[in-house]
Amino acid sequence: KQEVTQIPAALSVPEGENLVLNCSFTDSAIYNLQWFRQDPGKGLTSLLLIQSSQREQTSGRLNASLDKSSGRSTLYIAASQPGDSATYLCAVFNAGNMLTFGGGTRLMVKP
Amino acid sequence: DADVTQTPRNRITKTGKRIMLECSQTKGHDRMYWYRQDPGLGLRLIYYSFDVKDINKGEISDGYSVSRQAQAKFSLSLESAIPNQTALYFCATSALTGSKAGELFFGEGSRLTVL
Repeated sequence: KQEVTQIPAALSVPEGENLVLNCSFTDSAIYNLQWFRQDPGKGLTSLLLIQSSQREQTSGRLNASLDKSSGRSTLYIAASQPGDSATYLCAVFNAGNMLTFGGGTRLMVKP
Repeated sequence: DADVTQTPRNRITKTGKRIMLECSQTKGHDRMYWYRQDPGLGLRLIYYSFDVKDINKGEISDGYSVSRQAQAKFSLSLESAIPNQTALYFCATSALTGSKAGELFFGEGSRLTVL
């Protein structure tokens, strides 16, 4: 059974810092990996999708990498802003057509 | 308008009542999903459907049923609600093909409280 772990569970940084969120998964036979953002009480917003054949994706200040062989992905956020405060979730889509979510990293960016 | 719309957004009900949560999408996706989110347990898959004639159980389907009325509509029913079904429920969709195949798009969620 696929297990997805996100470290750290919570992170507080001052505005302007570059930061890295980590996601690890136990079964490397994945089709893709997706990073989401969730604001309190809200739905999930897709940030980046990395197909299994890709190594990274970029969108604005966000960059996500994927290393299937080691079962790891990182989400890099450059020049963090208070508006980036949210919970960030990674999810892997694997054989059996199941999307397995990590527990999330709760990010607070202080002005 | 949202691409994935869930109704109701909030519902309080009593134990034993039948509840239906509805989801409609304008993205033209074939695949639709229902998840529940609980504090400390993350998101868990309840049911998923890859087309109108295809319904599959997820990891926590007991106590739930679904209906795929059309490509754009996927409803979740609790036949006899119980308190431990209190949660935030999400509908999601994804495309089968294309460069964005497999990317999930979520609705805003339906908060259900069972007393």
